[in-house]
Amino acid sequence: GNSVTQMEGPVTLSEEAFLTINCTYTATGYPSLFWYVQYPGEGLQLLLKATKADDKGSNKGFEATYRKETTSFHLEKGSVQVSDSAVYFCALSSGNTGKLIFGQGTTLQVKP
Amino acid sequence: NAGVMQNPRHLVRRRGQEARLRCSPMKGHSHVYWYRQLPEEGLKFMVYLQKENIIDESGMPKERFSAEFPKEGPSILRIQQVVRGDSAAYFCASSRLELGMNTEAFFGQGTRLTVV
Repeated sequence: GNSVTQMEGPVTLSEEAFLTINCTYTATGYPSLFWYVQYPGEGLQLLLKATKADDKGSNKGFEATYRKETTSFHLEKGSVQVSDSAVYFCALSSGNTGKLIFGQGTTLQVKP
Repeated sequence: NAGVMQNPRHLVRRRGQEARLRCSPMKGHSHVYWYRQLPEEGLKFMVYLQKENIIDESGMPKERFSAEFPKEGPSILRIQQVVRGDSAAYFCASSRLELGMNTEAFFGQGTRLTVV
């Protein structure tokens, strides 16, 4: 079945460091891929998405490229800020129901 | 345009009681999804509903859990005879159309259920 695997956290970085959070997936067909962010005590917010191979999603300095050959959708940011501290979820959607399959989440802690 | 509204935000129930979680989708959204987030875990799909119909309930436990999305009013996730293992955050999401190339699911802030 479909599944998403993310690198384990927590990831602890200093402000302005480079961020990579790895995400790989297993899916039949051609899923859409998403990154969601969850701030403490809040719900999930869509950060970025990509709907076909080689698409690059980007938002707020974050980027991720849909790599079909490696079944990956790694999240990157060139310079993180303290305000980026949150839990990041990689997810996929396939089929007709629109339900999302989530990875287990990666906690990012950015220290000043 | 208000976002997805869930209430209550926090709910405490004793073992054996019933829990009712409510979700009002965004205006114009007719698709609702419920997810459960256990401590230190990702979100797990539970059920997908459209108005008056359950489309996919493959993630719902077979017993004690039920969901509805009536023609009028919010979607309700109902848990009967709660047990400690039901303690989790329950998130609702809504979308305008089935998730596809140009649609997005908007999430509520969740209901944190604690069973004591």
